[in-house]
Amino acid sequence: QQQVKQSPQSLIVQKGGISIINCAYENTAFDYFPWYQQFPGKGPALLIAIRPDVSEKKEGRFTISFNKSAKQFSLHIMDSQPGDSATYFCAASQETGANNLFFGTGTRLTVIP
Amino acid sequence: NAGVTQTPKFRILKIGQSMTLQCTQDMNHNYMYWYRQDPGMGLKLIYYSVGAGITDKGEVPNGYNVSRSTTEDFPLRLELAAPSQTSVYFCASSDLWQTEGTQYFGPGTRLLVL
Repeated sequence: QQQVKQSPQSLIVQKGGISIINCAYENTAFDYFPWYQQFPGKGPALLIAIRPDVSEKKEGRFTISFNKSAKQFSLHIMDSQPGDSATYFCAASQETGANNLFFGTGTRLTVIP
Repeated sequence: NAGVTQTPKFRILKIGQSMTLQCTQDMNHNYMYWYRQDPGMGLKLIYYSVGAGITDKGEVPNGYNVSRSTTEDFPLRLELAAPSQTSVYFCASSDLWQTEGTQYFGPGTRLLVL
């Protein structure tokens, strides 16, 4: 059973446009929600993360929006660039214990010039 | 710091063979993890360790074993390789105090079982 559901599976955006990726979870005990970025042939790397005490977190062109009541969170990439072309994974965990991450299935983003 | 290193980068195994995937981190992180990544499935946790001598199962542990004799090393053992174990394997490490939960991933090992 997929603990974190992610959509869309793939996304094509024009340069300068906004990329939006959505995730949903069921386990209300999750209290840490990171997004990882993965380039081909590389391991995932943390992009941005949020905890449920805030509804939004922004770092440069990347913003996480978090809706605790709906158990949903999303990644917005403003002014998308070709260099943003990668696979993006949302994840969730409980920070107590070993902080095991449950990943979404990934979104392959392609930004066309 | 080299971060998290994994060897080998790529391996072809025959059904029934065994192998060990190596993982080393030089960040003195307490927590280490093994994931497998299959197309369209995201990453699934195989095993994890919260410190030397302590390991536990993740979501998909069947067919794998691990050990953690030192803080730095966390090898993953496949005893009887099966085609279903064809995947890309990632090792990661973290430390709640140092990294606030961020997991740092290695470059991965691509395994093909024929």
